[in-house]
Order: sequence, then structure tokens, then C-alpha cells
Amino acid sequence: RKEVEQDPGPFNVPEGATVAFNCTYSNSASQSFFWYRQDCRKEPKLLMSVYSSGNEDGRFTAQLNRASQYISLLIRDSKLSDSATYLCVVNSVGQKVTFGTGTKLQVIP
Amino acid sequence: DVKVTQSSRYLVKRTGEKVFLECVQDMDHENMFWYRQDPGLGLRLIYFSYDVKMKEKGDIPEGYSVSREKKERFSLILESASTNQTSMYLCASSWGTDRYFGPGTRLLVL
Repeated sequence: RKEVEQDPGPFNVPEGATVAFNCTYSNSASQSFFWYRQDCRKEPKLLMSVYSSGNEDGRFTAQLNRASQYISLLIRDSKLSDSATYLCVVNSVGQKVTFGTGTKLQVIP
Repeated sequence: DVKVTQSSRYLVKRTGEKVFLECVQDMDHENMFWYRQDPGLGLRLIYFSYDVKMKEKGDIPEGYSVSREKKERFSLILESASTNQTSMYLCASSWGTDRYFGPGTRLLVL
């Protein structure tokens, strides 16, 4: 089983729609969790950390479910500029982090 | 604002050549990393360094070496480039578990 798994997509959604991605992780001792965004042919950039109680940043909501070992990212009111690949990142031991292979989102006009 | 720069955006080399990829960060980060990114495989860690002159193997170190002579600079070396090393190479730096990435170097080995 992969340490971090994501549905590669693509998720094709119309502008204004709400879309959610999940990411599962295998190590129950994982300590911290992140979502990164990667635009086509660019480097990944930190989108948001994921806190145990869930957290929100504008149209983006991140949640953690430790019991089922997954994290989620919800995007409300999708914009064309949200089109990108979203990488799930999990920190398991010390400073070791594992990147998921990413979920591609395409927002359609 | 953290800035991580890489010496080249695009590079074309021939099989057997020695290749140097350089990375510089300006935020006084202790930690620096080299990843490669391939379709369907995601980001894979090649080598990392937690301090000057210190290096640790990542998940796929074979065929690569690194050098960290100064805190701000971390170099990746392909001793004898092979076609299966054609990839996007990303350098990153950090204080902790976050990662600040450089723009990447697309390497093509012919």
C-alpha cells in the first residue's frame, strides 16, 4: 500500500461548483498534513496546513479524519484560476514528508 | 519571502556526461532537499541535507550525489547521466516540515 494515495482525476467541474478531494495515508503515527498546489510546469507551493479540528482559508476548507486516516480539501465557488494539481503531503517521522501523486482539477467556464 | 533559485530551467545532456544542478536559498534554512518528479510517480526524494557538509540518502539516491559546502547552496550531481534520469528536478528548503521549492530544472538526457 502506498504511504499517501490520491485519486489522480482529472476532476472537471464548472465554474462556481463545489469540489472535494480526499487523500488517504497509511501510517497511523503521521503527525502533520498539508495541501500543496502545483500549476502546470511550475513548482509546488504550500496551499494550507491541515489541523485536527479542520481549518478554512477563504473558499478552501481542509479536514483531517484520523480514525479513517484521510484528509480532505473542499473548494467552494470554483474559479478558473483554481485549475491546478493538488498534492497531499503527510509528515510521518521527524521531518520526513511524503507527497501524494496529486489530483488534477480543471475548472471549466 | 522565501526565494529558492535553481541554476537552469532547461538542460539537455548526453548519456555519460557529468551533470551539475545547483540550488540556492536566501532564507538561512537549515534543511535542503532534492526531488525528482515524474508523471504518475509524484515527487521522490533523492537526497537531503540538514546542515553544511551533511547529507542523507533519500528514497532514490542511486546514480546521484550531492554537495553542501555552504548553508545556502545545495548541489545535485549526476555522475554519469543516463536516459532514465530524464526528469523534472526540484530543489526545496525548509525550517521544518514545510517545503519551499525552486522553479525546477527540466533535464533531458539523450
